Amino acid sequence: AQSVTQLDSQVPVFEEAPVELRCNYSSSVSVYLFWYVQYPNQGLQLLLKYLSGSTLVKGINGFEAEFNKSQTSFHLRKPSVHISDTAEYFCAVSVYLGPGGTSYGKLTFGQGTILTVHP
Amino acid sequence: NAGVTQTPKFRVLKTGQSMTLLCAQDMNHEYMYWYRQDPGMGLRLIHYSVGEGTTAKGEVPDGYNVSRLKKQNFLLGLESAAPSQTSVYFCASGRRADGYTFGSGTRLTVV
Repeated sequence: AQSVTQLDSQVPVFEEAPVELRCNYSSSVSVYLFWYVQYPNQGLQLLLKYLSGSTLVKGINGFEAEFNKSQTSFHLRKPSVHISDTAEYFCAVSVYLGPGGTSYGKLTFGQGTILTVHP
Repeated sequence: NAGVTQTPKFRVLKTGQSMTLLCAQDMNHEYMYWYRQDPGMGLRLIHYSVGEGTTAKGEVPDGYNVSRLKKQNFLLGLESAAPSQTSVYFCASGRRADGYTFGSGTRLTVV
């Protein structure tokens, strides 16, 4: 079974500073990787995803993430954060079983990282 | 442009009562999911469905039942609510590699 660990439960940062939210995963097979954002009292919104190809993926709102297979990591970064980025961020993994198999898209989520941007 | 709609948004139940949460999607997705979200635990999969008339258990299925009689609807039932089922419930739909579209959630309190 796969698992996801988000290494920081809370990350405080000042506005316009860079930020990195860390995510490690464990799986015995290939995976798809996702980052979601949840604003207060809302559902989750997809930020970006890694399926294959380039290990650096760009998402919405200026976020990007890098897939590192050797370190089984998928850290999320933004070079300059805004107050509006304050939210909870979730890393998630879906198992890829090859063209003939399917995991039915089931996602395993990390515990979440609360990003708080201070003025 | 509704996406995924969950009803109700809030509910308070007494222990032992039953209720059904409704999820409706208008994107013609085959896959639908029910998750619960608890502080510090992320989202955990309760049940999921890969098509009309099919359902399967997720990580935390005990105390819940589901039905998918129509492709666009996925119902989550609590037959006898317990305080441990106090949580925020999210429905999602999607395709395998596309990521999900989430509903806005149902906040359930069992007293």
